[in-house]
Amino acid sequence: NAGVMQNPRHLVRRRGQEARLRCSPMKGHSHVYWYRQLPEEGLKFMVYLQKENIIDESGMPKERFSAEFPKEGPSILRIQQVVRGDSAAYFCASSPRAGVWINEQYFGPGTRLTVT
Amino acid sequence: AQTVTQSQPEMSVQEAETVTLSCTYDTSENNYYLFWYKQPPSRQMILVIRQEAYKQQNATENRFSVNFQKAAKSFSLKISDSQLGDTAMYFCAFMKPLSNYQLIWGAGTKLIIKP
Repeated sequence: NAGVMQNPRHLVRRRGQEARLRCSPMKGHSHVYWYRQLPEEGLKFMVYLQKENIIDESGMPKERFSAEFPKEGPSILRIQQVVRGDSAAYFCASSPRAGVWINEQYFGPGTRLTVT
Repeated sequence: AQTVTQSQPEMSVQEAETVTLSCTYDTSENNYYLFWYKQPPSRQMILVIRQEAYKQQNATENRFSVNFQKAAKSFSLKISDSQLGDTAMYFCAFMKPLSNYQLIWGAGTKLIIKP
């Protein structure tokens, strides 16, 4: 059973370009979370999605950032017009159907975005 | 709002020693979940151990165990017989049920195991 997959692992963009980060959840998982980790800091929640729905985007900047999780295919985190402050590691996590007992989030290896 | 505090930015111990990483949290909730995650140099985030707040018994996974003190809002991680492969960043995280299950993270403790 393959784990959570993220690609690319490393992404370099110039200021003003667009960054697209992809996340394929574990098989059977329909919940996806995106987190951002700035250097020397812990993770910060960005957005929580289920298939075709954004459930909670309270941690996502209002401008330039968007996320989707289509019926088919991976979840995409999109950052438009990147700035140097967007440089960070972006982690995706997936979990099985939410329930009282099942609450583990399985993390992908992350995408390290560098904005030059 | 919930917060998670890890007061030890960095620790180092000799191989085979026991080490304890501290974590405190602040919440008004009665039911919640606590986690320890390990992030080695590969940057992969790996679940080490979890604890449900309603359980009084401390969770244990092989060499890893927790000391959960609910009244004190403390959740420390003990690593016994430490190994070189335990070298990593360790993050404590809090989750409140029915809150879309988002994790709230501490800033992490860098653990170095010396040969």
